[in-house]
Amino acid sequence: GDSVTQMEGPVTLSEEAFLTINCTYTATGYPSLFWYVQYPGEGLQLLLKATKADDKGSNKGFEATYRKETTSFHLEKGSVQVSDSAVYFCALSDKKGYGGSQGNLIFGKGTKLSVKP
Amino acid sequence: EAQVTQNPRYLITVTGKKLTVTCSQNMNHEYMSWYRQDPGLGLRQIYYSMNVEVTDKGDVPEGYKVSRKEKRNFPLILESPSPNQTSLYFCASSQQGATYNEQFFGPGTRLTVL
Repeated sequence: GDSVTQMEGPVTLSEEAFLTINCTYTATGYPSLFWYVQYPGEGLQLLLKATKADDKGSNKGFEATYRKETTSFHLEKGSVQVSDSAVYFCALSDKKGYGGSQGNLIFGKGTKLSVKP
Repeated sequence: EAQVTQNPRYLITVTGKKLTVTCSQNMNHEYMSWYRQDPGLGLRQIYYSMNVEVTDKGDVPEGYKVSRKEKRNFPLILESPSPNQTSLYFCASSQQGATYNEQFFGPGTRLTVL
């Protein structure tokens, strides 16, 4: 079945460092891809998404590009801040059902990021 | 304010004592889902619902029940909880399925079964 693999954490960086969190997926067809973020004590929030190959999702300085050839969706940020400390989840959703819109989310295991001042 | 609410936020119970975790959304979303989050396992889907009276199993449905009698509510029922159901539970909703739509998550319910 479909699955998502992301790099294990925790990842500890200094403020203003460059961030990469690797994510690869296995899926039949061409799923939509997402990054969700979970701040301490909260539920998950959508960070960015890409629904087709070569799309780039971006938000709050974070970026990820849907690479069909390498089945990857790596998360990057050029300069992290202490406020970026959180758990980051890569996820995919297959395209099924009416209009292909009725997929479910399949999550990776999450990567905890800690940013030190 | 658009939101997904869950109650209770924290619950400690004993094996075999039936419990219900409520979930409600005020965004008129068709799709709702329950997940459990466990260390090292990420989030796994328990049940989901595409619309009123339409529910289906996710990846880990054993030991859980759900119902969707109204669009806004999607309670999770544990008929006979066991210690392996100790977990952090999240309810989520979206306009349709997850393929193109942001899922909005509730704040979570931390359940401990003794």
